This record gives sequence, C-alpha cells and structure tokens, in this order.
Amino acid sequence: DTEVTQTPKHLVMGMTNKKSLKCEQHMGHRAMYWYKQKAKKPPELMFVYSYEKLSINESVPSRFSPECPNSSLLNLHLHALQPEDSALYLCASSQGLTGDSEAFFGQGTRLTVV
Amino acid sequence: EDQVTQSPEALRLQEGESSSLNCSYTVSGLRGLFWYRQDPGKGPEFLFTLYSAGEEKEKERLKATLTKKESFLHITAPKPEDSATYLCAVQAHTGGFKTIFGAGTRLFVKA
Repeated sequence: DTEVTQTPKHLVMGMTNKKSLKCEQHMGHRAMYWYKQKAKKPPELMFVYSYEKLSINESVPSRFSPECPNSSLLNLHLHALQPEDSALYLCASSQGLTGDSEAFFGQGTRLTVV
Repeated sequence: EDQVTQSPEALRLQEGESSSLNCSYTVSGLRGLFWYRQDPGKGPEFLFTLYSAGEEKEKERLKATLTKKESFLHITAPKPEDSATYLCAVQAHTGGFKTIFGAGTRLFVKA
C-alpha cells in the first residue's frame, strides 16, 4: 500500500469556523508533512513531523495547528482562517529519517474560506 | 540560497514529438533531486530520484538525467495522457527535511 489518504477532499468554511484536515498513511513512514499549494504554484512546506515530533514549522500562522496523534495519522486544525488561506492542502510522507527519500503525496484537500 | 529553476514554464507538443524539460539547481551539497508529475487538482505523483551526477533513470516514455548543475526530463514520443505539470525538487545536505520545489513545467500534448 503506497497510499496517503486525505479527508475531506473538499472543504468550505467560514472565517469563524473551526475545522480539521486529516491524513493517514500505512507505509510505516516516520516523516509526515503538510504543504500548501496555490493555483499554478509549487507546493510550499508548512510543517514536518519526524517520529511524531514536530521538527519543522515554516513560520506558519497560529491559525494553523498541526497534530500527529500516532505514526500513521496527521491532522491540521484550522481556526479563524482568512480568504487568502484558500488553497490545496497536501499531506505527504517519506521513509527516510534524514529527509533524503522521495515523498508520497495524498490527493489533497481543496479548502475554500468564505 | 538554495534555488530550483525549471524551464520552460509551459511546453506544447504534438503527439510523438519528443522533447526535454530542464531543472537547474543551486544547493549547498545535493542530497537528492526528485521529479514529480502533478495532474490538475491532484497531489504530486513521484517519478524519479537522482542522487549523483551521471545518474539516469527511465520509466516508460520518461528518462531523467542529472549533472552537477541541472537535471533533464526527456519525454520520448509523448502521448496526450502525458499532459501534466512536471515538478522538480531538491534536498540539500544542510536542509534536513526541507524539499525545495521548482515552479514546474506545464506540458500539453496534443493528439
């Protein structure tokens, strides 16, 4: 199984809502990532978890809150988002413990903030 | 500063017309260079990893090569289903888990 599963596929939320994005992988990968991608732009790294510990936070606003409950799951909690946060949110995982292996991406959550 | 530049931004080919996509990089010690394919509204799909200059990898109509300054993705006799955005990404020895993506090349193959 080389799949990274993200739910939901689409999400529309108001600026006062609280919602969560979920990501799951069963490949035994110990590094998991959140990326944000705007239209016609490359993915931008947001967070990296290694062995369930947050190892990189790319100065992401606190309205985005990541959580890694166990080695297979990754969540992204959203609160008080702005319309400019609308984007495709991608989860990825990799086997390498030092970042030197390819990442497998999920299909993404298309987020629209209204 | 580590940087990845892809060219061209967009490429239009006729079916069967072979061509190459370019990825130029400047990093402080290359750990790995990756090629991904991304269809609209989907997550990137891994294609190749290259680690050292001179390395080549092939998969169906695609062949990736690596030099000390750039990588090429050669597409032989493309088909319409090869239409997608192709992303190049690098990891540097000093970058930890950070992967730096290029802006991508949007490939359109017409039947």
